[in-house]
Amino acid sequence: DAKTTQPPSMDCAEGRAANLPCNHSTISGNEYVYWYRQIHSQGPQYIIHGLKNNETNEMASLIITEDRKSSTLILPHATLRDTAVYYCIVRAGGQFYFGTGTSLTVIP
Amino acid sequence: NAGVTQTPKFQVLKTGQSMTLQCAQDMNHEYMSWYRQDPGMGLRLIHYSVGAGITDQGEVPNGYNVSRSTTEDFPLRLLSAAPSQTSVYFCASTLVWGNTEAFFGQGTRLTVV
Repeated sequence: DAKTTQPPSMDCAEGRAANLPCNHSTISGNEYVYWYRQIHSQGPQYIIHGLKNNETNEMASLIITEDRKSSTLILPHATLRDTAVYYCIVRAGGQFYFGTGTSLTVIP
Repeated sequence: NAGVTQTPKFQVLKTGQSMTLQCAQDMNHEYMSWYRQDPGMGLRLIHYSVGAGITDQGEVPNGYNVSRSTTEDFPLRLLSAAPSQTSVYFCASTLVWGNTEAFFGQGTRLTVV
């Protein structure tokens, strides 16, 4: 599975959109991009995943560039409860390999 | 529907003791896996199973054994605990070996003294 690169930390003002970037320049054609988050060392929580089209659900939006070498997770109106570590993972159907993720802090 | 259930939530072991971390899922998922998470790090895959009777090693399998006799259960065994195995352990399950989301348990915090 391809490797991902994420900034170690980010801040976001409460109520504003949080945009979390992820680089996956070696992604293969059959690999999906997944996003998970982990709050206070709880079990990771699924957010969203996609292949090449942009995706949106009740939690977030996923924007994947046309060349698929990078993506952005968007939390449209961040709240304090969105403070967590966010993991970007690329996967072709095998195991989930986690990096160190981005620690997002939502500031009041 | 409880999802993925891990027991115990906390455990303290002495060096050399053995124990089994339990993981059960009630979603009829074929694929189950075990991860460990050390402070400040992401999750690392220990072992996984693609179905009953089939297991394989992940990134950090040494010191751990697994078996999968039923679809529902995937226990992780520490045969002789070492301080280096102090960690938080997560179990996960996925419907099929494919592009579907994984569901995680709430973790077992293990301390080996």
